[in-house]
Amino acid sequence: AQSVSQHNHHVILSEAASLELGCNYSYGGTVNLFWYVQYPGQHLQLLLKYFSGDPLVKGIKGFEAEFIKSKFSFNLRKPSVQWSDTAEYFCAVISGGSYIPTFGRGTSLIVHP
Amino acid sequence: SQTIHQWPATLVQPVGSPLSLECTVEGTSNPNLYWYRQAAGRGLQLLFYSVGIGQISSEVPQNLSASRPQDRQFILSSKKLLLSDSGFYLCAWSVGGLAGGQTQYFGPGTRLLVL
Repeated sequence: AQSVSQHNHHVILSEAASLELGCNYSYGGTVNLFWYVQYPGQHLQLLLKYFSGDPLVKGIKGFEAEFIKSKFSFNLRKPSVQWSDTAEYFCAVISGGSYIPTFGRGTSLIVHP
Repeated sequence: SQTIHQWPATLVQPVGSPLSLECTVEGTSNPNLYWYRQAAGRGLQLLFYSVGIGQISSEVPQNLSASRPQDRQFILSSKKLLLSDSGFYLCAWSVGGLAGGQTQYFGPGTRLLVL
């Protein structure tokens, strides 16, 4: 069965710091990869996704993620975080033609102004 | 555009009482529908999913059940709530009729407290 690991459970940064959140998955076949974000008091929503093509994916609010197949990774990055990026971030993987995503445990990001 | 509704937003129920949480989707047809439970620090646990009316797949055996009486309606139920059923329940949908691997769109959630 697919498993997803998010290595950082709690991250605290100051504004303008760079961010990288790790995500690794276990299944080695075809995968669709997602990062979702949950801002305080808001719905869980899609931040970015990778289905195929360019492994460097750009999402909303200046976020990007890179799919590295050989490392089974899909790390999320942002060069300069803002206070408004404070949220919980979830990595998710769907294997092959499945309907069922596997989510990581989430990373809570707090950005101090 | 598509919207997803969940109600109630918050619910406090005594142990042993029944439960019914409702989720409806607007603006799309034949969606895939999902129920998750979100626990702090533990991510999202998939409880049930449905690819069509009356078609329910259970991912985790437990005290809960799900039904899909209409195309865009998904209901989470229990006959007798346990303390361990407390949590934050999320409904989600994805585009149906396609191969898997689609983006999920989440509702606002229901916070359930069982006392």
